[in-house]
Amino acid sequence: DTVLTQSPALAVSPGERVSISCRASEGVNSYMHWYQQKPGQQPKLLIYKASNLASGVPARFSGSGSGTDFTLTIDPVEADDTATYFCQQSWNDPTFGAGTKLELK
Amino acid sequence: QVTLKESGPGILQPSQTLSLTCSFSGFSLSTYGMCVGWIRQSSGKGLEWLANIWWNDDKYYNPSLKNRLTISKDTSNNQAFLKITNMDTADTATYYCARRALGANYFDYWGQGVMVTVSS
Repeated sequence: DTVLTQSPALAVSPGERVSISCRASEGVNSYMHWYQQKPGQQPKLLIYKASNLASGVPARFSGSGSGTDFTLTIDPVEADDTATYFCQQSWNDPTFGAGTKLELK
Repeated sequence: QVTLKESGPGILQPSQTLSLTCSFSGFSLSTYGMCVGWIRQSSGKGLEWLANIWWNDDKYYNPSLKNRLTISKDTSNNQAFLKITNMDTADTATYYCARRALGANYFDYWGQGVMVTVSS
């Protein structure tokens, strides 16, 4: 399995820029995707294929990276962005990161 | 508007078989390229992809669970199904169905999920 490693938690102030990282145990080309999950809700697609914004997602969200290192950036962060963010690779059978919980100060 | 909704028993005993239904609208599993997948989420293992079924009835399973999983579909009623045999307490999770996006193996629409508890 391709293991995806994410930092467990981050805390930022509204209006700041935050970068959430995801590292793959092997190269996944650009086949990395990002989801947002709020408590009690299903995951929501934010970014697909590393850098493509999903439909309806605010332009405050962006993605970058290729190979093994990927980043989801939110700029500027808003209060509504409090959530857990997951990366998922699809170069091999799909696997997900453990998630990064974003809290606002 | 694409929507998906899962249904299932809620609770079952160890060794029983779990049967889940995904009812969807806004797309058809008879359309070229369409695919529905099942993913579960537990506190212990996080998000775990289970299986995909394609418009042409091709099926793909997570290798670590393949011998316990069966995915199927009813195109005329816009439903997909997942069976998991020999359920264990470790299978306690929220089970999601989701539409796989065209072109790459990510999921662009998810159901709300159904909680399944395995307990004696």
